[in-house]
Amino acid sequence: DADVTQTPRNRITKTGKRIMLECSQTKGHDRMYWYRQDPGLGLRLIYYSFDVKDINKGEISDGYSVSRQAQAKFSLSLESAIPNQTALYFCATRGRLVNTQYFGPGTRLTVL
Amino acid sequence: LAKTTQPISMDSYEGQEVNITCSHNNIATNDYITWYQQFPSQGPRFIIQGYKTKVTNEVASLFIPADRKSSTLSLPRVSLSDTAVYYCLVGDGSSNTGKLIFGQGTTLQVKP
Repeated sequence: DADVTQTPRNRITKTGKRIMLECSQTKGHDRMYWYRQDPGLGLRLIYYSFDVKDINKGEISDGYSVSRQAQAKFSLSLESAIPNQTALYFCATRGRLVNTQYFGPGTRLTVL
Repeated sequence: LAKTTQPISMDSYEGQEVNITCSHNNIATNDYITWYQQFPSQGPRFIIQGYKTKVTNEVASLFIPADRKSSTLSLPRVSLSDTAVYYCLVGDGSSNTGKLIFGQGTTLQVKP
């Protein structure tokens, strides 16, 4: 079984719709991250959480919100989706070694 | 994270050994060198990490010279399934966010 899972894997939605992307992990890590990846732009950090009560904005948090329901679960919401939020979204947990993170399989989101 | 420089792309054939070199001239004393692999539409995957000399695991070897200003990821006997983007990261993990910064990486194309 995968250590970091994401649902859904693919989603097509329309402008203005609210969307939730879910992430679960079985690695027992406290720190979790949401990134988006766009061609030519690399990975950009949306939100991160050090534990259930500690949630922080990343570099591109506008238009997004998150919820850390438990140590193992970290959800990303798009309150009102817009086309430039079309991207590949990754959830990750931070490992115990320096600069190690474990990524989920990604969610490909298309906003029409 | 220290700045790194890698070749943009490399080609190889099945069964060959592939060496990808990363330059990091301004590496700091506390920095570790970490390599990730990313397949299309999948999340980056941690491959190997080292501080000095040589590290080997079931996937790859990492060679780090004494001055630590560069490192070489060695993939033995590559197969078609090793076609991916390989990222070199250098840092001590001390940033407040723990965010990973992936550069352009090296796109490895393995041919039959």
